[in-house]
Amino acid sequence: AQSVAQPEDQVNVAEGNPLTVKCTYSVSGNPYLFWYVQYPNRGLQFLLKYITGDNLVKGSYGFEAEFNKSQTSFHLKKPSALVSDSALYFCAVRDGRDDKIIFGKGTRLHILP
Amino acid sequence: DTGVSQDPRHKITKRGQNVTFRCDPISEHNRLYWYRQTLGQGPEFLTYFQNEAQLEKSRLLSDRFSAERPKGSFSTLEIQRTEQGDSAMYLCASSLGPGGMDTQYFGPGTRLTVL
Repeated sequence: AQSVAQPEDQVNVAEGNPLTVKCTYSVSGNPYLFWYVQYPNRGLQFLLKYITGDNLVKGSYGFEAEFNKSQTSFHLKKPSALVSDSALYFCAVRDGRDDKIIFGKGTRLHILP
Repeated sequence: DTGVSQDPRHKITKRGQNVTFRCDPISEHNRLYWYRQTLGQGPEFLTYFQNEAQLEKSRLLSDRFSAERPKGSFSTLEIQRTEQGDSAMYLCASSLGPGGMDTQYFGPGTRLTVL
């Protein structure tokens, strides 16, 4: 069965500094990996996904994520954080043989001005 | 607005009452998903449809829950005899079609509070 782990409940970063939100996964088949962001009282907004190809995936709002097969990780990164990036971030995985997405518990990102 | 829409956005009900939520997917999307999200957790899969066919249901979906997508467009999720444990955000998502590479786009959710 597939699973996702987001080891940090909260990450604090000063504005302008680079940020990383960690994610590791477990699937038995080929992984399809996703990052979503959730603002208060809102649904999830899609940021980026990895299906195949280049291990570095670029997404919305300047975010990117690096797929590392040997470490089974898919960390979310941004070179320079903005206060407006403060939100709840979810990593998700889909086994290529399955149809549903499994989400992590989420990481709350605080960007400090 | 051409995104996924959900109605109502908020629902407060008393224990034992029935509630029904509606989801309108992005118009050309064939797949529609329902998730439940409780505080401090990520969304949990409940069920999904390919057009009007319900293809999978989670163990989380007890017999008090039923979902339909009668014409392959909008979907409804009904909870009968609500319990306090049903209090959660109910999220709907849609995607273009089968295939793990398809992105699921989410609606704003319906927040259910059972008193």
